[in-house]
Amino acid sequence: NAGVTQTPKFQVLKTGQSMTLQCAQDMNHEYMSWYRQDPGMGLRLIHYSVGAGITDQGEVPNGYNVSRSTTEDFPLRLLSAAPSQTSVYFCASSYLTEGLTSANEKLFFGSGTQLSVL
Amino acid sequence: SQKIEQNSEALNIQEGKTATLTCNYTNYSPAYLQWYRQDPGRGPVFLLLIRENEKEKRKERLKVTFDTTLKQSLFHITASQPADSATYLCALDGFSGGYNKLIFGAGTRLAVHP
Repeated sequence: NAGVTQTPKFQVLKTGQSMTLQCAQDMNHEYMSWYRQDPGMGLRLIHYSVGAGITDQGEVPNGYNVSRSTTEDFPLRLLSAAPSQTSVYFCASSYLTEGLTSANEKLFFGSGTQLSVL
Repeated sequence: SQKIEQNSEALNIQEGKTATLTCNYTNYSPAYLQWYRQDPGRGPVFLLLIRENEKEKRKERLKVTFDTTLKQSLFHITASQPADSATYLCALDGFSGGYNKLIFGAGTRLAVHP
């Protein structure tokens, strides 16, 4: 099992460019989410999905789009990159199983994408 | 306002001692609280979850307490080792904006010196 795989590891964009951050998981988890991590701040939820075909906004969704066509993949699209989107992005997955009360329990994270927007 | 706070200053301790990290929160009533470990350049890794009706949880050298009256969780690493050096994040479930979400603290960096 590879777990949660994110690509690319590093990316530099110019303001106004668009790109897609890839996220794939091989654990058959229903729930997937995207977070951004900025210095001195906790991880903040961008978008999340409770299953294929279902997505919803998190705390900081502006400037980002997501789709979930399969259980495995949850790409994050930056529509028109801005310097404020310079951050480290993490994809996470989780599942709801016996003994758990919420799919927010025990997240599995990818290794992150470090994005710089100039 | 709702806040979750961890000590932003790094915690430096000597190998073999017990490390204690603090997570305080205000204006939340979480059903559970989690602790994650994050190494440089890596994603967080889940360590422990403690529910509101549990006072203490242990896993090997790790111990977590949860005091809903004080609105505080303490994370202990006993017999600490240099390999325990990392940033430790606490996270609690909070209902905000119409949905349940995981609220993360900014983390505390732990450095264990030989």
